[in-house]
Amino acid sequence: ELQLVESGGGFVKPGGSLRLSCVGSGFTFSYAWMTWVRQAPGKGLEWLGRIKSRGSGGTTDYAASVKGRFTILRDDSQNTVFLQMNSLKTDDTAVYYCTTVYLEHIPAFDNWGQGTLVTVSS
Amino acid sequence: EIVLTQSPGTLSLSPGEGATLSCRASQSVSNNFLAWYQQKPGQSPRLLIYGASSRATGISDRFSGSGSGTDFALTISRLEPEDFAVYYCQQYGTSPPTWTFGQGTMVEIK
Repeated sequence: ELQLVESGGGFVKPGGSLRLSCVGSGFTFSYAWMTWVRQAPGKGLEWLGRIKSRGSGGTTDYAASVKGRFTILRDDSQNTVFLQMNSLKTDDTAVYYCTTVYLEHIPAFDNWGQGTLVTVSS
Repeated sequence: EIVLTQSPGTLSLSPGEGATLSCRASQSVSNNFLAWYQQKPGQSPRLLIYGASSRATGISDRFSGSGSGTDFALTISRLEPEDFAVYYCQQYGTSPPTWTFGQGTMVEIK
């Protein structure tokens, strides 16, 4: 069974940093393109960024709202994708989800983790 | 950046009725890269429709997607109790590669 499990959420003060992890199982992780999506309390979904598989170049793209502050990395040996978040603001408070991208030519998010809550507050 | 506007914000319906949710894009969505997701309270979103009209694996045929260009719709026939949820549309743009979501439509029990 395919699973995505996020971890690393918690409380952090404004200006701080946090690294989220997402471990995948039940599929060939190294082939997967992965994304991060967040959802502020009571709000809608916001795409944050995507990392391609190493075979597709391993490149990243980010939403304008987080570009320069957030970085997506992957470690295929550990079936893990990371979201490094720096210079955090109170507006970054949200549940953070990792997802898989269905296929390169079908850019929909077909599997989602359960999410991890990040609270940015002084 | 393409902006997606969903309407209505809330749809109040009874089980057994049909529902039509609208998603309008500020510019044409390339290659019909338009998807729909369902999210129930306390749960992660679930992919329903991709490519504007293709059902994802395991999705009931009561869900159908349609549209092209800037106007898209999700139709749910014969609402079941488990269908009451929030629905989001999403588009993918290639230059630069970005995904954007609509603000969501809540389908609630009347």
